[in-house]
Amino acid sequence: DAKTTQPNSMESNEEEPVHLPCNHSTISGTDYIHWYRQLPSQGPEYVIHGLTSNVNNRMASLAIAEDRKSSTLILHRATLRDAAVYYCILRDGGAQKLVFGQGTRLTINP
Amino acid sequence: DGGITQSPKYLFRKEGQNVTLSCEQNLNHDAMYWYRQDPGQGLRLIYYSQIVNDFQKGDIAEGYSVSREKKESFPLTVTSAQKNPTAFYLCASSRLGAYGYTFGSGTRLTVV
Repeated sequence: DAKTTQPNSMESNEEEPVHLPCNHSTISGTDYIHWYRQLPSQGPEYVIHGLTSNVNNRMASLAIAEDRKSSTLILHRATLRDAAVYYCILRDGGAQKLVFGQGTRLTINP
Repeated sequence: DGGITQSPKYLFRKEGQNVTLSCEQNLNHDAMYWYRQDPGQGLRLIYYSQIVNDFQKGDIAEGYSVSREKKESFPLTVTSAQKNPTAFYLCASSRLGAYGYTFGSGTRLTVV
């Protein structure tokens, strides 16, 4: 399984944008980039995924580098409810399992 | 509303007893998964299933067993062979392909 590298923790302020980085230098051509977030004592929540092009949805945006070796999850205007652990995961289009790393613990200051 | 339900939310068992965790989904998803999470750690895959009556071991399958007799259900049994069963157990489902997962709210198992 291809590996991702994320910072252990990040901190931001409420109502400011947050950029969460993820490195995946060994990504293969068929790997999709997935992002999930997990609040304490809850199951992870799907945020967004993409293959090559940047993606937007109601929760966030995903910016994918041209060489696909890195990506950035963008929360446009952070709220206190965005405080969570964010996981960046690679998923092969043919494989049927996600392998989770340690993720980034995001703290939002009021 | 479609979703995935895990029950119970909290479960206490004595050491040496088998225990079965329930996972049901009404999303018509083909694939289902069981993960284990220890405090401060990421999720580790126990078992997964892509179709009824078929399942594969994940990274930490020892001491666990599963069945997939119905598309909607994927129960996990934690056996007495599991050396350290106290953990947070998460069930998930997805469509086949590179789609996102839907997770349940988890079962916190404590073995005393």
